[in-house]
Formats: sequence, structure tokens, C-alpha cells
Amino acid sequence: AQSVSQHNHHVILSEAASLELGCNYSYGGTVNLFWYVQYPGQHLQLLLKYFSGDPLVKGIKGFEAEFIKSKFSFNLRKPSVQWSDTAEYFCAVKGGGYNKLIFGAGTRLAVHP
Amino acid sequence: NAGVTQTPKFQVLKTGQSMTLQCAQDMNHEYMSWYRQDPGMGLRLIHYSVGAGITDQGEVPNGYNVSRSTTEDFPLRLLSAAPSQTSVYFCASSPTTEGALGYTFGSGTRLTVV
Repeated sequence: AQSVSQHNHHVILSEAASLELGCNYSYGGTVNLFWYVQYPGQHLQLLLKYFSGDPLVKGIKGFEAEFIKSKFSFNLRKPSVQWSDTAEYFCAVKGGGYNKLIFGAGTRLAVHP
Repeated sequence: NAGVTQTPKFQVLKTGQSMTLQCAQDMNHEYMSWYRQDPGMGLRLIHYSVGAGITDQGEVPNGYNVSRSTTEDFPLRLLSAAPSQTSVYFCASSPTTEGALGYTFGSGTRLTVV
């Protein structure tokens, strides 16, 4: 069965700290990979996506993610977080020949000033 | 351009009642889907549609029905509401089934079943 795993459920950082959120998936074959962010009280917004090409993808607000096919991973990174990055982050995967976008359980990030 | 519109925003039901959550998009998107969001479980796919007249089950379809008679609308029906269906429901659409242009989410419906 298709599954998406996010390793960290809660992350607490101070401003200017670096961020890395893990995401692994269980699909074989071609995959399309996404990171979404949900700010408190809001709906999901797309941060970045990977379909093909350069495995290092840059998104909005200084976020980037690296696709490592051999590790079935798509980790999200940001060199220096801000208080405004406090939100819940979701990894999502579509692939394995299925027309389904499957989400991980999410990671709650709290950034303290 | 309204994007993805969900109604209602809030709803309280009694156990056993039925209701329909509405989702409409005005972007001529081919793909539409319904998710439920529960604490610690992320978003789980309920049903999805790759075009008018075509629907399929997601991860947690039991207790829910959908139909797609037009490209614009994708209603979600709860036939007999149960407390386990208390959740926040999101509708999402994408221009293509492939999802290359990403998915647009509605603002959600918060449903409480008592």
C-alpha cells in the first residue's frame, strides 16, 4: 500500500535556526512529490513540488527540498527560520500509477522569537 | 475567480442525520478530491474524481458517497452521520489528474457529529 511518513510530529526552533523536516514514501516507480504548509486557521498552500529534473527544488519563502530516489525521501529544508514560519507542514506523494495524492501525518513547527 | 468554494464552513449534526458538503470550483479543473483532516493523522483521502462522471475511492471511503455530474461540482454526502466523522473536510482540485500544476484547496468545512 502507498504510504507517506513524516518523522517529526513536533519541532520547536528558535528564530534563525536551520530547519530540516523528513519525508519518506513507499511507492515504486515514478512519483510526484509535494510539500504543503497550513498556517493556523487557514487551508493548505503549496510550498514546492518535484516532478522531474533537478532533484533540488526551490519553493516559496526560502524553502527548498531534495529528492533522493535511492532513499525514497523528499526532505524539506530552510537555512534560517522566522517566527512567521510557525505552521503545520505536510509532505504529499502521488505516484505508483495511482491517481491519488496521499499525505503524511504532518509536522507542527513552532518558531520562538 | 473564486477558486475552490466549500459550503458550509461549520456544521453540527446529530448521529444518524444525513447531509451534503458542497464543493465547487470555477477553474475548469479536471481533478477533484475530498480529504478529512484529523489531529495527528494528516489529511486522508476520502474520494476523488478524474473528470465528470468518474469517481473512485480513496483511503477512507466508508460512510461517504460522491458524484461528479458536472466539471465544477463535487459534493460529498454523509448518509448516516457518526461521531467518528467529526473532522475538518477539505476539497481540492487540480487542472489535470497528473497534478503538475499543484492542487488548490478550499477553506474547509468543520463538521461536528454529536
